[in-house]
Amino acid sequence: QKEVEQNSGPLSVPEGAIASLNCTYSDRGSQSFFWYRQYSGKSPELIMSIYSNGDKEDGRFTAQLNKASQYVSLLIRDSQPSDSATYLCAVRPGGTSYGKLTFGQGTILTVHP
Amino acid sequence: DAMVIQNPRYQVTQFGKPVTLSCSQTLNHNVMYWYQQKSSQAPKLLFHYYDKDFNNEADTPDNFQSRRPNTSFCFLDIRSPGLGDAAMYLCATSRDNGLTQYFGPGTRLLVL
Repeated sequence: QKEVEQNSGPLSVPEGAIASLNCTYSDRGSQSFFWYRQYSGKSPELIMSIYSNGDKEDGRFTAQLNKASQYVSLLIRDSQPSDSATYLCAVRPGGTSYGKLTFGQGTILTVHP
Repeated sequence: DAMVIQNPRYQVTQFGKPVTLSCSQTLNHNVMYWYQQKSSQAPKLLFHYYDKDFNNEADTPDNFQSRRPNTSFCFLDIRSPGLGDAAMYLCATSRDNGLTQYFGPGTRLLVL
């Protein structure tokens, strides 16, 4: 079992719709969770971080965390073509130091006009 | 603006010819990381420095070495690049005990 799993997609949504991206992780002791966006040929860019169970909203983005189910998701409201990218889920496993992260392989999102 | 800078952005080398990639940061972060990312794969951590303390991942090949001469700079040395080392190499930094990692633009390495 991979430590951090994401559906590789591609996930295709129409412009203006809600895109829902999901991630599961294996280490129950994990403390911190991140969503990065990566455009083709570019480096990852942090979108959201979440540390506690529940929802965290930032503009059109909402991160949801459920530690009991070992599940974290990212919702993108009013999706735009510029949101088309690969979304990487990253998890800080329990017991590690210095912010070491484990990444999922990413979900490709395509927003079509 | 504070940032993470990587040079060069594109590097072409020959099979077996040593290559050095550089990373610099103006964020004054204690921790610097090197990741390897192959096409359609997750970034894979190679090693990281906490200040001058070097931390190697268990599965990082000996072919990969790193140097951090000061807080601002970190280098990735690939002693004898093979075709399988062609990838994007990402440098990232984080603040002392901070969790958020900030990535540089990456260096794309091509091995001929």
